[in-house]
Amino acid sequence: QVQLVQSGAEVKKPGASVKVSCKASGYTFTSYGISWVRQAPGQGLEWMGWISAYNGNTNYAQKLQGRVTMTTDTSTSTAYMELRSLRSDDTAVYYCAREVFDYWGQGTLVTVSS
Amino acid sequence: DIVMTQTPLSLSVTPGQPASISCKSSQSLLHSDGKTYLYWYLQKPGQSPQLLIYEVSSRFSGVPDRFSGSGSGTDFTLKISRVEAEDVGVYYCMQGIHLTWTFGQGTKVEIK
Repeated sequence: QVQLVQSGAEVKKPGASVKVSCKASGYTFTSYGISWVRQAPGQGLEWMGWISAYNGNTNYAQKLQGRVTMTTDTSTSTAYMELRSLRSDDTAVYYCAREVFDYWGQGTLVTVSS
Repeated sequence: DIVMTQTPLSLSVTPGQPASISCKSSQSLLHSDGKTYLYWYLQKPGQSPQLLIYEVSSRFSGVPDRFSGSGSGTDFTLKISRVEAEDVGVYYCMQGIHLTWTFGQGTKVEIK
């Protein structure tokens, strides 16, 4: 069965960076891209960007351009999302989802606090 | 960016009764490939979102047939024919026509 398993919760200080991982199983990793979505506490869903697991092409949300980098490691079927220059309003649960958003990871809480 | 507007933002439904959620997009979601990239998700309390409907009206694997989607162009609707207790949560519509995905604000459904 398709599974996306994300790394654990993180606490970071403002200005720091965070890197969240998403390990895929149950399907051919390079056949689908991975999207990242975040959800601030009590808020809705915000798409952050997408990466092709086939060739590494990316498409980032405009508001995060320059602060976010998405990568994949096909040898381990793992996708990564790095967010830099963290601010308090980056506090959110971060989700990875398979390209067509049919399967989602369990979410990773990132807390940005001094 | 395409803006997705859902109504209502909250809904209280008696079990066994129908429910309907509207989603309007600021631009047509009909792609030149003939597909319409409109999706519906349910996020149950404390869980990740789960796909209900893709491309307007196709139910995802395992989704009960009491859920149905309809619409075209810029106007879409999710209907639940008979609401059950397990249907509580927040429903989101989402578009992805230009590979830039945006979600509606969400509609919170609770049981009376």
